[in-house]
Amino acid sequence: DGGITQSPKYLFRKEGQNVTLSCEQNLNHDAMYWYRQDPGQGLRLIYYSQIVNDFQKGDIAEGYSVSREKKESFPLTVTSAQKNPTAFYLCASSIQRASMNTEAFFGQGTRLTVV
Amino acid sequence: SQKIEQNSEALNIQEGKTATLTCNYTNYSPAYLQWYRQDPGRGPVFLLLIRENEKEKRKERLKVTFDTTLKQSLFHITASQPADSATYLCALDTTGGGNKLTFGTGTQLKVEL
Repeated sequence: DGGITQSPKYLFRKEGQNVTLSCEQNLNHDAMYWYRQDPGQGLRLIYYSQIVNDFQKGDIAEGYSVSREKKESFPLTVTSAQKNPTAFYLCASSIQRASMNTEAFFGQGTRLTVV
Repeated sequence: SQKIEQNSEALNIQEGKTATLTCNYTNYSPAYLQWYRQDPGRGPVFLLLIRENEKEKRKERLKVTFDTTLKQSLFHITASQPADSATYLCALDTTGGGNKLTFGTGTQLKVEL
């Protein structure tokens, strides 16, 4: 089945630690995204990538890092510089077409809690 | 500042009525606008995409309008059912042709028997 997979579903992090959230897709999509969602809030864009080996900062990139070494993978690292990392993290992918907006497919999310 | 705004208060309606949700944006000129549904603890699911040259788009009980002059999209669910209860998000590309998909804050809809 084609889709987008995030792991783990739940993640606990001690203060001061870096953690990496996994996102894999087998939809052959060029574009991938990371969003953060806080309780009762909308989605805020952290990073996005339109092609392998290239990515751009979103609206709240501070304290996060990403890589895009393979088309199907877009891992997100939450660093110790992120002061309030407890949130629900969503990964998405979409077809990249010039001048054409296409629907995004989302994973099931990773809930990160700092303990 | 650039914003995508949706009704922050939850919308409660009776089963069988039409639910209308609003999405307003400022300082963008999007070529497209999208609507998604999100259930608690899950990722959003795509519902509809409407282009700037389309005034209205329908899919089964769903209808979306797009007024680029008012900078507003309306999302309607006719003959609403309790299963329609969820949070509905609008989204648009804020780079004018790229893929920077930015979401509104979402509106929670509750359909009561």
